[in-house]
Amino acid sequence: QSVLSQPPSTSGTPGQRVTISCSGSSSNLGSNTVNWYQQFPGTAPRLLIYSNNERPSGVPDRFSGSKSGPSASLAISGLQSEDEADYYCATWDDSLSGWVFGGGTKLTVL
Amino acid sequence: QVQLVQSGAEVQKPGDSVKVSCKASGYTFTTYYMNWVRQAPGQGLEWVGIITPSSGLTTYAQRFQGRVTMTRDTSTSTVYMELSSLRSEDTAVYYCARGHGYKRHFEYWGQGTLVTVSS
Repeated sequence: QSVLSQPPSTSGTPGQRVTISCSGSSSNLGSNTVNWYQQFPGTAPRLLIYSNNERPSGVPDRFSGSKSGPSASLAISGLQSEDEADYYCATWDDSLSGWVFGGGTKLTVL
Repeated sequence: QVQLVQSGAEVQKPGDSVKVSCKASGYTFTTYYMNWVRQAPGQGLEWVGIITPSSGLTTYAQRFQGRVTMTRDTSTSTVYMELSSLRSEDTAVYYCARGHGYKRHFEYWGQGTLVTVSS
């Protein structure tokens, strides 16, 4: 059972916009920023979004993030087949004094 | 360029210990924190702990306290994670991940080390 809640799966067609939610509590998302990671099968995770809505260099602007209180979301616009991957949200938890992750969302591009 | 290169796959028996290394290059080793994150087969990501390379100070996730030890060797820019009293549930890929700050995002990741615990 993950501390942060994400839908296990979502899907979309090429060109569509999809969102992935991440729900937490006052001790984690409610008081700290959220980061998002993308992971392809058999590879290490890659930083996708940090500090709620910042993109590292090289990440397309089709990816965007937002946070409001204890909830956050990742949006992918203009969906492409290469976006098919697992997505994880993560934040610091003040009560646990450590990082917590969502359970991950598998994105399928139909 | 920043690189984190981890040691190879390990197979250990229940009750044994395993020590995984992560060699950093392309930046000043003592400037950035290093985290360890694991992923059991088909499962999500789980934070194991963090080490401050400049001081050796560590913070471990509560569920691993007493079983995990993180150390570093500044002469070789290498961090180590040792997990003891292994059980089958510890079978996972273990990643090192450089933190931008103590409570900041993980910018760079190692390639992962598969640790298999099996009798």
